[in-house]
Amino acid sequence: AQSVTQLDSHVSVSEGTPVLLRCNYSSSYSPSLFWYVQHPNKGLQLLLKYTSAATLVKGINGFEAEFKKSETSFHLTKPSAHMSDAAEYFCVVFPDTGRRALTFGSGTRLQVQP
Amino acid sequence: NAGVTQTPKFQVLKTGQSMTLQCAQDMNHEYMSWYRQDPGMGLRLIHYSVGAGITDQGEVPNGYNVSRSTTEDFPLRLLSAAPSQTSVYFCASSSGEGQPQHFGDGTRLSIL
Repeated sequence: AQSVTQLDSHVSVSEGTPVLLRCNYSSSYSPSLFWYVQHPNKGLQLLLKYTSAATLVKGINGFEAEFKKSETSFHLTKPSAHMSDAAEYFCVVFPDTGRRALTFGSGTRLQVQP
Repeated sequence: NAGVTQTPKFQVLKTGQSMTLQCAQDMNHEYMSWYRQDPGMGLRLIHYSVGAGITDQGEVPNGYNVSRSTTEDFPLRLLSAAPSQTSVYFCASSSGEGQPQHFGDGTRLSIL
């Protein structure tokens, strides 16, 4: 069965500094991987999606993620944090075999300090 | 373009009451799903549907029913509400199982 581990429940950065949100997964050979963002009292919005076309995936709002098969990781990064990036972020895996259902990580809350 | 619309946004129920959470999408998506979100647990799949007339159970289906009579609508029914069902419920739709999901803004449900 697939699983997703978000290594930090909370991350705090200063505005203008880099963001790193870590995600490790346990899944089949070639899963699809997603990052979603959730602002307060809102639904989840897709940031980016990996489907094996390229290991470095660019998303919206300057975010990107790198798929590293050897490390089973899919960390989310942004070079310079903005106040509007403060939100909760979810790493999600969809396997290519077995039970084909989305599995969500438990989320990372990003705080951006002025 | 409305996307995925959930009603109501908030609801308070007493233990044992029943209710239906509504979900509608206007993107002609075949795949729709219901999740519940609890603190520190991410989102967990309750039920999903791959098209009109077809539904299946997700990870936490007990206490919930669904039906899919049209492509647009996917209501979630709580048969006899329990305090453990206090949660935020999200409906989502997509063009396929592994495709990006479009989420509604959620229904915040409290069971007393």
